[in-house]
Amino acid sequence: NAGVTQTPKFQVLKTGQSMTLQCAQDMNHNSMYWYRQDPGMGLRLIYYSASEGTTDKGEVPNGYNVSRLNKREFSLRLESAAPSQTSVYFCASSEEVAGVYYNEQFFGPGTRLTVL
Amino acid sequence: GNSVTQMEGPVTLSEEAFLTINCTYTATGYPSLFWYVQYPGEGLQLLLKATKADDKGSNKGFEATYRKETTSFHLEKGSVQVSDSAVYFCALSPSGNTGKLIFGQGTTLQVKP
Repeated sequence: NAGVTQTPKFQVLKTGQSMTLQCAQDMNHNSMYWYRQDPGMGLRLIYYSASEGTTDKGEVPNGYNVSRLNKREFSLRLESAAPSQTSVYFCASSEEVAGVYYNEQFFGPGTRLTVL
Repeated sequence: GNSVTQMEGPVTLSEEAFLTINCTYTATGYPSLFWYVQYPGEGLQLLLKATKADDKGSNKGFEATYRKETTSFHLEKGSVQVSDSAVYFCALSPSGNTGKLIFGQGTTLQVKP
């Protein structure tokens, strides 16, 4: 099992460009999450998806959109990148069975994004 | 609201020293508490967790006890190794079983031989 995979690993954008960060998990988890990690601020939740077909905003959703394409895949899109979106982005997944969340989240290796 | 506060880093220790990383939280109800570890260039991994007051989580020689009276979940290890060098994150999952996690800012640990 690969666990949680993310592409690309690194990306440099110019202000105003768009891109999509891809995430996939092979653990058959219902819930998936996107975080950003900034120095001194820990991880902050951007969006999450409790199950296929649903998405909800997290703490810092502005400037981002997400798509839960199917149970495996959860993508994050930056429509018009800004320097403030320079960060490391992590995707995670967790198991939920019959409404009970198991709370351990499994993380991908991250995407390091720089916006010039 | 819910929040997690960790001690400022970096923490620099010699091998075999005792480690404490402080974590306090603010939350309503009865959250679950976690420590995650991030090794250089990698994603986060769960280190240990505790789901109710007075529970002790432990793994790989690390321990933390859920103290509701002091709203704390301090991470300890009796004898650190160079391989423990990493960033450590304290996190809580609010009561209500949403699956979401709220993270502290992270504490960098550097262990020197």
